[in-house]
Amino acid sequence: DTAVSQTPKYLVTQMGNDKSIKCEQNLGHDTMYWYKQDSKKFLKIMFSYNNKELIINETVPNRFSPKSPDKAHLNLHINSLELGDSAVYFCASSSSSGGTDTQYFGPGTRLTVL
Amino acid sequence: GQNIDQPTEMTATEGAIVQINCTYQTSGFNGLFWYQQHAGEAPTFLSYNVLDGLEEKGRFSSFLSRSKGYSYLLLKELQMKDSASYLCAVIDSNYQLIWGAGTKLIIKP
Repeated sequence: DTAVSQTPKYLVTQMGNDKSIKCEQNLGHDTMYWYKQDSKKFLKIMFSYNNKELIINETVPNRFSPKSPDKAHLNLHINSLELGDSAVYFCASSSSSGGTDTQYFGPGTRLTVL
Repeated sequence: GQNIDQPTEMTATEGAIVQINCTYQTSGFNGLFWYQQHAGEAPTFLSYNVLDGLEEKGRFSSFLSRSKGYSYLLLKELQMKDSASYLCAVIDSNYQLIWGAGTKLIIKP
């Protein structure tokens, strides 16, 4: 069974569109994250949720809105997509928000904005 | 500011040993992770160090010196499948994970 899953794996869309990426974890973890990895391979934290509550919200345009319907899911909605949003987006989870717990990553969603 | 430095790229030969260094300047320290990321795939956990010294796990070992703000990942008996990026990440005083840009390791036959 996949521990952390994301859909879709690939997403190609036009500038100005709105899109969503879904993430689910079946590890029973309390904390979930969204990361952006750009072409230079630098992994940047975007958001972190602990038990459905937002605990980290880095400097991210408000076009990005995370939603956590329950602690096993953390979805990412992006409005008015821009060329610079093209990147790989990784979802991850850890057992707690303490920071010392290992994070388990999903397979990534490669977003290409044309 | 917070900073983690790793070499951008390294090359090594199959069967050899390679050491990937990571130096950090962060606001506080609560541990250091090493992750492996194959091209087009997700990062996967390799090791966690919070105390000084060497942690050995099979062909991979990780070393930490908190006083020097320094860690290394040692890979022995290199195999072609070890070609990947290796990411160093430090937990700061706020228990947030600060990621390095990663070291791309190329293994040649």
